[in-house]
Amino acid sequence: NAGVTQTPKFRVLKTGQSMTLLCAQDMNHEYMYWYRQDPGMGLRLIHYSVGEGTTAKGEVPDGYNVSRLKKQNFLLGLESAAPSQTSVYFCASRNRAYEQYFGPGTRLTVT
Amino acid sequence: GENVEQHPSTLSVQEGDSAVIKCTYSDSASNYFPWYKQELGKRPQLIIDIRSNVGEKKDQRIAVTLNKTAKHFSLHITETQPEDSAVYFCAAKFWNNDMRFGAGTRLTVKP
Repeated sequence: NAGVTQTPKFRVLKTGQSMTLLCAQDMNHEYMYWYRQDPGMGLRLIHYSVGEGTTAKGEVPDGYNVSRLKKQNFLLGLESAAPSQTSVYFCASRNRAYEQYFGPGTRLTVT
Repeated sequence: GENVEQHPSTLSVQEGDSAVIKCTYSDSASNYFPWYKQELGKRPQLIIDIRSNVGEKKDQRIAVTLNKTAKHFSLHITETQPEDSAVYFCAAKFWNNDMRFGAGTRLTVKP
């Protein structure tokens, strides 16, 4: 039982490049979330999903897209990376009791 | 918009003293309020939570109180130890399953 895993752990992009972050969970949770964490700003919600095939915007969705084609996976895409997207990205999944479990994070640097 | 405010942003206490962190939220429909502990370079870990039908919950040295009328909740840590040093985040689940976090409190426990 791996819980929530994220791929990759680290990534450096040049401005304008694209990439996809993968989140996987093996707990059969319906709900999944993507957050970004910047110093002094806590965790800000980017997008979330309440089930396979559904997605919804969070607090800071601009510049990101997501897909939930399979229940266990939640993908976060950056189509044209900008330096303002330099951050640590955390994925989380949630059980029916509302308890969220976080992945280990992806540290992204955009130069 | 929907938000969660957390105070203080930093807190320094002597080992053995108590620490209190406070949060307020905006959505009166919120019904779930977790607290997370994040050590440097690690993922946030759920340490305690409280639901809207309960006023107080305790787990060994940590406790959480909720005042739904005033829309605020607090984390209390008693008999603090150096290993309690970390960043603590409060969060609230909003009506649309959106989970929003406070900006965090950096707690330092001095031996």
